Amino acid sequence: DSGVTQTPKHLITATGQRVTLRCSPRSGDLSVYWYQQSLDQGLQFLIQYYNGEERAKGNILERFSAQQFPDLHSELNLSSLELGDSALYFCASSVAATRETGEQYFGPGTRLTVT
Amino acid sequence: LAKTTQPISMDSYEGQEVNITCSHNNIATNDYITWYQQFPSQGPRFIIQGYKTKVTNEVASLFIPADRKSSTLSLPRVSLSDTAVYYCLVGDNNNAGNMLTFGGGTRLMVKP
Repeated sequence: DSGVTQTPKHLITATGQRVTLRCSPRSGDLSVYWYQQSLDQGLQFLIQYYNGEERAKGNILERFSAQQFPDLHSELNLSSLELGDSALYFCASSVAATRETGEQYFGPGTRLTVT
Repeated sequence: LAKTTQPISMDSYEGQEVNITCSHNNIATNDYITWYQQFPSQGPRFIIQGYKTKVTNEVASLFIPADRKSSTLSLPRVSLSDTAVYYCLVGDNNNAGNMLTFGGGTRLMVKP
C-alpha cells in the first residue's frame, strides 16, 4: 500500500460525458502527479501540482483539467469523453516539488471505460 | 520530443543478474533518471533513482555513463517475484514545460 488513494476504482461512462477522478496523496506529500496508461500509448505524464499550484504540464488534452485543493487532494476532470480516453489513470505523490529528487508513490489507479 | 527507448521484453532465470538499458537522448541537465516496477493491475513502484555514475540500494543498482544518454538498471539474483514490467522515467529538455517521459517498459519474465 503506497498510501495514495484514488476513487473510484472503476468508471464506465458514455462518449460525450464528463467524469471526475479523485486522488488523495500520502500524508505529508505536497506534490501530485497524474498519468494516463493505455495499451497503445503506454504511461503518459499529464500534469503535476505542488501545494495547490500547477507545476508541470505534459500531454494533457484541452478537454482535461486538474486542480489541487487546500487539503492537497487533487481531482482530474475529463470532459467530452471519447472512446480513446479509455485507460488507466494513475495519481502519484511525492514530497519534493520537482521530479529530480524524491520518489513518486503511485495510487492503485482508476480504470475508465468509455462506451 | 525526446524518445526514451527500452527493450520490449527480456527473459531470465532465477538467480541470474538482469540488466535493462534505457536510452534517453536529450535528457535535461538537471533531470534525474528513475526506474519503476509495475505488476499487473497495480501502480508503478519506485526502484531506484540516480543522476550520474552509479547508485546502489538494497534491491538494485543503476549505472549512468558520463554523457547520461542512457542508463542501465541492474537486478542482482532475480527471483520469480521479479517478473514485472520495468519503466525508466526521465525529463525532456525539448519542452520547457518540464515534460516527464516514460520509456515503453520492459517486460521481464523470470523462469524457474
